[in-house]
Amino acid sequence: DAGVIQSPRHEVTEMGQEVTLRCKPISGHNSLFWYRQTMMRGLELLIYFNNNVPIDDSGMPEDRFSAKMPNASFSTLKIQPSEPRDSAVYFCASSPRATGVETQYFGPGTRLLVL
Amino acid sequence: QKEVEQDPGPLSVPEGAIVSLNCTYSNSAFQYFMWYRQYSRKGPELLMYTYSSGNKEDGRFTAQVDKSSKYISLFIRDSQPSDSATYLCAIHQAGTALIFGKGTTLSVSS
Repeated sequence: DAGVIQSPRHEVTEMGQEVTLRCKPISGHNSLFWYRQTMMRGLELLIYFNNNVPIDDSGMPEDRFSAKMPNASFSTLKIQPSEPRDSAVYFCASSPRATGVETQYFGPGTRLLVL
Repeated sequence: QKEVEQDPGPLSVPEGAIVSLNCTYSNSAFQYFMWYRQYSRKGPELLMYTYSSGNKEDGRFTAQVDKSSKYISLFIRDSQPSDSATYLCAIHQAGTALIFGKGTTLSVSS
């Protein structure tokens, strides 16, 4: 199993540019999560999908952030326009969402630096 | 009050020491208590989880939950340099998303 795949692994961009982060979940997992991690705020849940449908996007910081999951094997997180305060590590995670305990499998993350 | 509180450390111990990592939480409805380990520049990975109160042991690792005090702990026996990582607690109720602590950074020196 390849695990959760994220691309790009690193992204450096200038303020105002559009940034698109990509995620391929583990095959067969029906839940997908986007997180942002910073030293100050720790790991924050931005949005999660269940069976490709957004369930909770209350963690999305503002309208500049959007996420899509057009099918079970692909999701994107877009920031437009990007700002320096968006600099962070963005993780995608997937889960088989069985009843009971929630076990999430994280990708390697995308390190985003907005100049 | 935040739903999960975790001391960020850093915590530095010599090889072979017993390590205690802790979190407190505010909502007594939480049922599942988990520990994730995150190596530098990697994603978190699930280390172990417990349901409700009690202890769970896996090799050198023991997870403990005290629901009356809303306190969860992870003990590492005979710590090794390879245990150097950030440890994040996470909690949830059935059907809800995980809530993570900020993580405690552990360094084990040889």
